[in-house]
Amino acid sequence: NAGVMQNPRHLVRRRGQEARLRCSPMKGHSHVYWYRQLPEEGLKFMVYLQKENIIDESGMPKERFSAEFPKEGPSILRIQQVVRGDSAAYFCATSGNADEKLFFGSGTQLSVL
Amino acid sequence: QKEVEQNSGPLSVPEGAIASLNCTYSDRGSQSFFWYRQYSGKSPELIMSIYSNGDKEDGRFTAQLNKASQYVSLLIRDSQPSDSATYLCAVREGGGSYIPTFGRGTSLIVHP
Repeated sequence: NAGVMQNPRHLVRRRGQEARLRCSPMKGHSHVYWYRQLPEEGLKFMVYLQKENIIDESGMPKERFSAEFPKEGPSILRIQQVVRGDSAAYFCATSGNADEKLFFGSGTQLSVL
Repeated sequence: QKEVEQNSGPLSVPEGAIASLNCTYSDRGSQSFFWYRQYSGKSPELIMSIYSNGDKEDGRFTAQLNKASQYVSLLIRDSQPSDSATYLCAVREGGGSYIPTFGRGTSLIVHP
């Protein structure tokens, strides 16, 4: 959905580097969800945030992964010390209220060499 | 653990036929149901949402929900080759959990 902006579209990192993925919600949306998708697999929930708050991070690995959604600026998904297994498509989706439908960004394809 | 099950397919139908895509879910408390279409290499695009038992129609698409059977389906009438994509079912629990759980998707191929 053109309204939800993700960047970069493609990100290449070497093992051990950091990856930062950005998501700017659609206008009027304050709920952000991050999902990861591997080839031929469904979308796996990672973390749900509202402005300045992490609501649910039950799908996010305990180590190396973190997320934030500051008062100003985009939501950031940060992966430290990337490994090859982190290679995947990462999508963010946003909604206006917690119980409304989600609209997806174009995704970031992370490749770890 | 909440589960959403879909047949991975591929489901192959001729152009002009009705494509029927099915989804079952494990959580009886689920309240909201969504169908997304995802073309290869692209992001999911919302097609339909349904919240009450019965049918909901939107153009060539009809969503059907049966909460007693924990079953939701998507019918695509007059299928076109451009409908060839993976269709993702998503289910959201009620009662304060706002995180949609997605199925793995069904691959649909509409051949001319």
